[in-house]
Amino acid sequence: EAGVAQSPRYKIIEKRQSVAFWCNPISGHATLYWYQQILGQGPKLLIQFQNNGVVDDSQLPKDRFSAERLKGVDSTLKIQPAKLEDSAVYLCASSPGTWGTPSSYNEQFFGPGTRLTVL
Amino acid sequence: GQQVMQIPQYQHVQEGEDFTTYCNSSTTLSNIQWYKQRPGGHPVFLIQLVKSGEVKKQKRLTFQFGEAKKNSSLHITATQTTDVGTYFCSVGTSYGKLTFGQGTILTVHP
Repeated sequence: EAGVAQSPRYKIIEKRQSVAFWCNPISGHATLYWYQQILGQGPKLLIQFQNNGVVDDSQLPKDRFSAERLKGVDSTLKIQPAKLEDSAVYLCASSPGTWGTPSSYNEQFFGPGTRLTVL
Repeated sequence: GQQVMQIPQYQHVQEGEDFTTYCNSSTTLSNIQWYKQRPGGHPVFLIQLVKSGEVKKQKRLTFQFGEAKKNSSLHITATQTTDVGTYFCSVGTSYGKLTFGQGTILTVHP
């Protein structure tokens, strides 16, 4: 079974530039997550999709971050404009679980991440 | 929002020694998951605990969920250099959102 795919793996940009990340989840997984992981910290949830609808985006800085999951499959996360503090690894994860399914479906499968450096 | 505290933040052990990390919450949890992240890697799922007082074992790893479902622990017996990494607990809601702890960084000296 193929895992979660992400691209690019690395990105270096200057502040105020724009950047986009792409994620392709495991086939059939209804739920997709984007996390931000700053060095030395645990992953922080930015946005959670169930199919193509947003379940939770309470921690997404909406003035500069946006995300979409068209057709309920792959997803893009965009930052515009980037700030120095956005330097982090951006992780995408998917899960077979949806609302109301047994908690055993909550296991999340993470992609390799995109390491973003903002100069 | 949901907050979890993990202790210790760092743990250095000699190969063959045991290791334990603890995860604590002020509120009752519906479930808890544990993940391992190797240096430079991404989090990998280890286990999920759902029931009060639950104990699960995976070879040298033992996971416990407290009776009150407010804390959990991960214990590794006789650590090996392959156990190096950061161990995260994460607590889940009924719709699958996870809140991660800050992690415990384990270093194993050969």
